[in-house]
Amino acid sequence: GAVVSQHPSRVICKSGTSVKIECRSLDFQATTMFWYRQFPKQSLMLMATSNEGSKATYEQGVEKDKFLINHASLTLSTLTVTSAHPEDSSFYICSARGTGLHYEQYFGPGTRLTVT
Amino acid sequence: AQSVAQPEDQVNVAEGNPLTVKCTYSVSGNPYLFWYVQYPNRGLQFLLKYITGDNLVKGSYGFEAEFNKSQTSFHLKKPSALVSDSALYFCAVRDRSGSGYALNFGKGTSLLVTP
Repeated sequence: GAVVSQHPSRVICKSGTSVKIECRSLDFQATTMFWYRQFPKQSLMLMATSNEGSKATYEQGVEKDKFLINHASLTLSTLTVTSAHPEDSSFYICSARGTGLHYEQYFGPGTRLTVT
Repeated sequence: AQSVAQPEDQVNVAEGNPLTVKCTYSVSGNPYLFWYVQYPNRGLQFLLKYITGDNLVKGSYGFEAEFNKSQTSFHLKKPSALVSDSALYFCAVRDRSGSGYALNFGKGTSLLVTP
C-alpha cells in the first residue's frame, strides 16, 4: 500500500523560532500534497494544497508567510512554521495523492508541535 | 461547497453489539464520500469510500457504510463492535470546488466500546 511518513513526530520549540516538518511519500510519487491542522478533539482543517514544482494554494485565513510550504520533489513536501508562537501549537497532518492507483489521499502519522 | 456533518460527538456501544456512526452530506452533484479512523496521536487511517455503484460499501476491519441518496446519509456500521474499535471517526467528502480536490472533514465522532 501507499505509505506517507512525517518527520519529526513530535517537536518542542521556543517561541520565536522556526520549525520544519517533512512529509514524504515512500512508495509512490505524490503530485499533490495537503497540509492539515488539528486542534485537540476537533476536526482536521485544510491549511494548504501544494502541487509539485508550483506555489502552494493556501486556504482563507492561513498566513502564507507564517506557514511556508515547499513541494520541491514528487516525494517530499515541507511545512515550515516561522516565528512560532504558543497558539501555533497543534497537530499537523499531511496527506499525499498520486496518480492512477495512488489517486486517493494517504495520510501521514502527524506531527505534534508544542511551542513554549 | 461540499460538506459533511456528524451529529454525534460520542457514541457508546457495548462490545459485541452493532454500532452505527452517523454522517450526512451536503454536496452538489455526485458525492465522493470517505470514512477515516484516528487513534490517539496518530494520523488518519482509511476505512472505506463511496464513489459510485453499490450503495453498501465494505471496508477495512469489518466496517461498512451505506450510501442513502434520499436521506443524504453515509452512516458507518459494524455488526459486532470490538473494544479495539474505540477511536475517533471522521466522515469526509471530496471538495471538487478547489484545485486540488482536498477533503472536507466532519467534526468527528468519538466511539467508545465498553467490555
